[in-house]
Amino acid sequence: DAGITQSPRHKVTETGTPVTLRCHQTENHRYMYWYRQDPGHGLRLIHYSYGVKDTDKGEVSDGYSVSRSKTEDFLLTLESATSSQTSVYFCAISDPTTLTEETQYFGPGTRLLVL
Amino acid sequence: GNSVTQMEGPVTLSEEAFLTINCTYTATGYPSLFWYVQYPGEGLQLLLKATKADDKGSNKGFEATYRKETTSFHLEKGSVQVSDSAVYFCALRKDNAGNMLTFGGGTRLMVKP
Repeated sequence: DAGITQSPRHKVTETGTPVTLRCHQTENHRYMYWYRQDPGHGLRLIHYSYGVKDTDKGEVSDGYSVSRSKTEDFLLTLESATSSQTSVYFCAISDPTTLTEETQYFGPGTRLLVL
Repeated sequence: GNSVTQMEGPVTLSEEAFLTINCTYTATGYPSLFWYVQYPGEGLQLLLKATKADDKGSNKGFEATYRKETTSFHLEKGSVQVSDSAVYFCALRKDNAGNMLTFGGGTRLMVKP
């Protein structure tokens, strides 16, 4: 299994509070991703990073920010949590060696409930 | 834009039955196609993949063939087991798309003894 951990694994918070989720990898992979998983929507990309301090928006980035100050850590921040951000959040990593060979490895997920 | 459509679940089968989960995609060019599996309480794991037309990906008795003419990548298994109960996600990665994946909505498979 790829060395990916997410913390916390479960969190309950109140509307309007800031929340930071952490993804940590031990694989030295260049790319890291944050997804959210909601029923009927599969996984949707929030933000991704292609190197230290290099990040870009995904499909559903509104209300989220990210930071990557070290190769191994990718932080997802909800500046002011809303109930619509209740979801399961997955981190993924990849390190493609060619443009046609790419596999993403996923962390165990963080279940977030915003009351 | 890119999109992936999967059959809605849940799919309920008896053990040893034949499985098909349909997946069709919309994308320009020649995307790579993937099936991921999510067991209860876990993250997603890559099940199989195909990177060009007519390629067949296979793993653990599952297989899927990249059909460009029908833009499909249907997942099949000849004899399912209770341990195959999980959620299955079809996904695509478009050429030169920054390694981003587009996922379908997922199909829950329940296999009964």
